Amino acid sequence: EDQVTQSPEALRLQEGESSSLNCSYTVSGLRGLFWYRQDPGKGPEFLFTLYSAGEEKEKERLKATLTKKESFLHITAPKPEDSATYLCAVQARGFGNEKLTFGTGTRLTIIP
Amino acid sequence: DAGVTQSPTHLIKTRGQHVTLRCSPISGHKSVSWYQQVLGQGPQFIFQYYEKEERGRGNFPDRFSARQFPNYSSELNVNALLLGDSALYLCASSLWDRGLGRHLNTEAFFGQGTRLTVV
Repeated sequence: EDQVTQSPEALRLQEGESSSLNCSYTVSGLRGLFWYRQDPGKGPEFLFTLYSAGEEKEKERLKATLTKKESFLHITAPKPEDSATYLCAVQARGFGNEKLTFGTGTRLTIIP
Repeated sequence: DAGVTQSPTHLIKTRGQHVTLRCSPISGHKSVSWYQQVLGQGPQFIFQYYEKEERGRGNFPDRFSARQFPNYSSELNVNALLLGDSALYLCASSLWDRGLGRHLNTEAFFGQGTRLTVV
């Protein structure tokens, strides 16, 4: 069964203090790894898709990387508006559907 | 362009009642998936519908059912509600098509969710 583990569960950073969030996964065959941002009471907002080990994608202060066992979401010089829960999900090949298996998320708080 | 829209946004029901949640996908998206998110957890896959056919089902009891209409909108139905069904119900749409290539843009875009409270 596909599994996704995210760490840490919660992270508090000072504004401008860079850090990384981790997503470890096991999947029968990876079709894609997805990062989402979720604000309280809202639906997840799509950030990135990574398809193969070594791939990297960037958007503003965020950079996502992928290895064969884990993905990192690097946040550089964060601002208070980056505070949210960041969710990682995997999609497996070969089952004929687009089921996403999510982790429990990392709750990020940026202190001004 | 409008994103994924869900209705209602909030709902309070009594144990044993039935509920119907609705979802309209992004224009051009034929695939709709439903997820349940309990507080403090990640979303859990319930169903995927593509071209009005069920393409996948998660580990949920038969009290949960869904359907997709010719305009690709979808309904999620839950019968005999339990307290444990209280959650944020999320709908996602995508350009998913199992016949297309590996690097197709398959991102799932989520609606704002329906907050269901069972009392």
